[in-house]
Order: sequence, then structure tokens, then C-alpha cells
Amino acid sequence: AQKVTQAQTEISVVEKEDVTLDCVYETRDTTYYLFWYKQPPSGELVFLIRRNSFDEQNEISGRYSWNFQKSTSSFNFTITASQVVDSAVYFCALTHKMDSSYKLIFGSGTRLLVRP
Amino acid sequence: EPEVTQTPSHQVTQMGQEVILRCVPISNHLYFYWYRQILGQKVEFLVSFYNNEISEKSEIFDDQFSVERPDGSNFTLKIRSTKLEDSAMYFCASSEAGGRNQPQHFGDGTRLSIL
Repeated sequence: AQKVTQAQTEISVVEKEDVTLDCVYETRDTTYYLFWYKQPPSGELVFLIRRNSFDEQNEISGRYSWNFQKSTSSFNFTITASQVVDSAVYFCALTHKMDSSYKLIFGSGTRLLVRP
Repeated sequence: EPEVTQTPSHQVTQMGQEVILRCVPISNHLYFYWYRQILGQKVEFLVSFYNNEISEKSEIFDDQFSVERPDGSNFTLKIRSTKLEDSAMYFCASSEAGGRNQPQHFGDGTRLSIL
């Protein structure tokens, strides 16, 4: 079965702390993509990153970094020097192949609260 | 940057009424999707649409739901006879192609409240 688990329901940190959001997935697809989306309080879903299953290189984009480890089926997201504007719900998602297209399977999300 | 737009941002409807949620996908995108997020829960796939027909649908997408691309730009989700449990945020998404490497770009969502 295809499944994404985000075990951390809510994390609270003080501004400038580093924080890591965990994501563990299960899939039978041999090739797949993983995504992170941010949902700020306004409710929209903002695409952050995608990673394919053949590329285990870690990626850094400014204060954001992602650690993909296929051996442990994890795709963790770290925010360095967190800011209040980072407060949001973060969703990890996995592509799942259907007959003629792909859908995203989302985790239940991690609510991040960054306090000043 | 091009974006997916959804209207209205909030829709309040009496139970049993029909509701139509509207979306304008990114113009060069070919695949369209609807997802639903019940308050405080995860985002769930409803349906995908390509070449003017449904590609896939989930078990949530029952006979009360339908989708349409009435013209070259709009993509709509209709709920025929709304129920209380249809209250949720509905997200439209689009992608350039249907492949797994294509990020789905989401609209800001329509919050549907059924009274």
C-alpha cells in the first residue's frame, strides 16, 4: 500500500532554532517522486520541492534542506534558523501511479509554530 | 509566475443544494485534479482529468460529484446534492503532463461550508 507518515503532529520552536520535519513513506512503485508542500494559515498549498527515487543527493535551497534516504524510506525536511514566517503546516507527498496518470498521496501534515 | 486560480474562496450552501466550484488551471497544463481537505485532516485525491475526460477517481468521488471543462480555460467540480460531510477545503491542481515527475500546482482552495 502507498502511505506517507508524518509522525510529528505539531512542533513548536523559538525563532532562529533549526527544526527537522520527518517524513516516512511506503510504496510498491519502483520509481516515484516525493514532494514537500507548505500550507500557511491562509490555506493555500505551496510547492517546495520534488525528489525522484533515483536521486539521493541532499538538496539545499537557502534555509531549507532535504535529506532523502531510500534505505530508510525517509525524506526529511530541515529549516535552518527558523523564522516566524515559516509557521505553517508542512505536507510530505508521494506520487502513486494510477492507470493513466499519477496522484499525490499526502501525509497528515506537521504543524510548525515558530515563536518570536 | 502563472498560477491556478479558484473561485469562490468561500462558499456557504444549504444541505441538499447543488454547488459548483470553479478553477482556472495554468494555461499550458494538460492534466487537472481536484483534492479535498476536511478541516484538520490530510489532503485527499478526488479525481484527475485529461483530454476532456476523467482519468482516475477515488472512492470519495461518487455519483454526487462531476467534473467538467466547459471551455478552454475553466475546470469545474459540481456536487449535486451537498451533504454536511462535504464541508471541506477543495483544491484544484494542474500539471504540465501526467508523469510522476511533474509537480502539481495547487490553487488557493475553495472553502465549502454546508449548513
